[in-house]
Amino acid sequence: QQQVKQSPQSLIVQKGGISIINCAYENTAFDYFPWYQQFPGKGPALLIAIRPDVSEKKEGRFTISFNKSAKQFSLHIMDSQPGDSATYFCAATYTSGTYKYIFGTGTRLKVLA
Amino acid sequence: DAGVIQSPRHEVTEMGQEVTLRCKPISGHNSLFWYRQTMMRGLELLIYFNNNVPIDDSGMPEDRFSAKMPNASFSTLKIQPSEPRDSAVYFCASSLGVSGEQYFGPGTRLTVT
Repeated sequence: QQQVKQSPQSLIVQKGGISIINCAYENTAFDYFPWYQQFPGKGPALLIAIRPDVSEKKEGRFTISFNKSAKQFSLHIMDSQPGDSATYFCAATYTSGTYKYIFGTGTRLKVLA
Repeated sequence: DAGVIQSPRHEVTEMGQEVTLRCKPISGHNSLFWYRQTMMRGLELLIYFNNNVPIDDSGMPEDRFSAKMPNASFSTLKIQPSEPRDSAVYFCASSLGVSGEQYFGPGTRLTVT
């Protein structure tokens, strides 16, 4: 019940295309859903996050879509660029108490020039 | 702001040796996390602390692994004795509160031969 399932494992997109990464969770108590971006040789860094009181959050070319009833959320990268090539992790937690993040397994994105 | 500092950045050791990884969290952050990343298992949470107290060490793979946080500005992860299967990148992350945004360090790449 604590898992976050992420797909696909890897993704190849042409420059200018849309990259879509999906995550599904089971624990309905989760109330915070961040996405982390990791470049080779670096630690993951927060990219964008959403809470379940909204269905969508957009920051520049990055958008999170959230479907509370389906217990799913996804990251959309519009106008994908070669510089977006990285590994993306979704995560979930609940913000009361001292509960940890549950990370997805990661998606390796490659954007072709 | 120096960010999360980890040392060493690279460690090569022989099987059976003791290995100590070090982490200095961001000043003011009261939660600290140790993760291990491998191609096979992805990003795994090993242990985390809140206000210097270990909250959950269920991710520590074996008794060979131990972690301490003697004060708010320093933590260690020790492996004794080390084994080749411990080879991985070990990340330390810190946050303000357990569910706050986690800031990852650059990681320590451990190779056990």
